[in-house]
Amino acid sequence: KQEVTQIPAALSVPEGENLVLNCSFTDSAIYNLQWFRQDPGKGLTSLLLIQSSQREQTSGRLNASLDKSSGRSTLYIAASQPGDSATYLCAVIHGSSNTGKLIFGQGTTLQVKP
Amino acid sequence: DTGVSQNPRHKITKRGQNVTFRCDPISEHNRLYWYRQTLGQGPEFLTYFQNEAQLEKSRLLSDRFSAERPKGSFSTLEIQRTEQGDSAMYLCASSFYTGPGNTIYFGEGSWLTVV
Repeated sequence: KQEVTQIPAALSVPEGENLVLNCSFTDSAIYNLQWFRQDPGKGLTSLLLIQSSQREQTSGRLNASLDKSSGRSTLYIAASQPGDSATYLCAVIHGSSNTGKLIFGQGTTLQVKP
Repeated sequence: DTGVSQNPRHKITKRGQNVTFRCDPISEHNRLYWYRQTLGQGPEFLTYFQNEAQLEKSRLLSDRFSAERPKGSFSTLEIQRTEQGDSAMYLCASSFYTGPGNTIYFGEGSWLTVV
């Protein structure tokens, strides 16, 4: 059974710091991995998607990496800003076909202090 | 492209009542998903449609839950005889089914409180 874990559950950093959020999954057979952002009481905003054949994706100050063999992904946020404060969720589609069924971690709640 | 739209955004209902949520996906997206999220947890998959066909249902979806997607456009999620344990945010998402690069887009969610 595929399980996704995100550690730490919460993180507080000063503005301007670079930071890394971690995501691990128990089964390396994934179709793709997606990182989302969720503001309190809101829906999910897609940040980055990494296909199983890829090793990283970048968008602005965000960089996501994927190491399938070790079952790990990281989300790197450069020069953090208070507006980055939110919960970050990673999710995988398990298996070799596009079921679209995402399995989520519990998220890391990030607070960036001015 | 107006994004995934969900209504109502908030619903408070008494235990035992029926509730229905509506989701309008991004136009031309042929896949539509329903998830449920409780406080402090990641979303959990409930069911998904490809066009009008419901392809998979989670064990979480008891017989009190029913989802439809008539004509492959909008979808409804109905919960009958609500229980306090049904209190959660119900998230709808959509995507265009292609290969491993297709992003899944979520709506703002519908909050359900059962009192």
